Amino acid sequence: AQSVTQPDIHITVSEGASLELRCNYSYGATPYLFWYVQSPGQGLQLLLKYFSGDTLVQGIKGFEAEFKRSQSSFNLRKPSVHWSDAAEYFCAVGAIDNYGQNFVFGPGTRLSVLP
Amino acid sequence: ETGVTQSPTHLIKTRGQQVTLRCSSQSGHNTVSWYQQALGQGPQFIFQYYREEENGRGNFPPRFSGLQFPNYSSELNVNALELDDSALYLCASNPGGLGNEQFFGPGTRLTVL
Repeated sequence: AQSVTQPDIHITVSEGASLELRCNYSYGATPYLFWYVQSPGQGLQLLLKYFSGDTLVQGIKGFEAEFKRSQSSFNLRKPSVHWSDAAEYFCAVGAIDNYGQNFVFGPGTRLSVLP
Repeated sequence: ETGVTQSPTHLIKTRGQQVTLRCSSQSGHNTVSWYQQALGQGPQFIFQYYREEENGRGNFPPRFSGLQFPNYSSELNVNALELDDSALYLCASNPGGLGNEQFFGPGTRLTVL
């Protein structure tokens, strides 16, 4: 079965600083990889996804992520953080198992942004 | 706005009771997934329905069951509620396929006393 770890529970950055959120997964093949953002009182929104092709993927709101097969990682990056980026970020893996399609979300990383 | 709606917004039940949560997917989306998100945790996949058939299930007991209807609505039923079932329940619809974006509803907050 697949699993997802997000080593950082909480990260604080200053507005304008760069950001990297870490995600590691465990799965026997190349999974479908996703990053979602959840703001207080808002639903989950997809930032970007990867399942094949160029290992550097661009998403919405200026985010990008890089898939590294050798490290089983799919880290999320943003060159300059805005105060509105403060939210909870979830990495997720989609795969096929014995029961059909399955999705596993990581525990999340809470991002705080200092003015 | 994702076009996915859920009802009710909040619900309070007592242990041992049964509950039905409802979701209305985006028109044309033949796949719906349900998730349980406990406070401070990531969403946990309960199951997925494709064209009214379950086609994926997470590590949840059989007292969690679902239905999907031809009009893009779906239900999550939970029997014999336990205190640990208190959580935010999310549904997500997509047009089908593992790699497609899931559009999440705002969730139903269930409290079990």
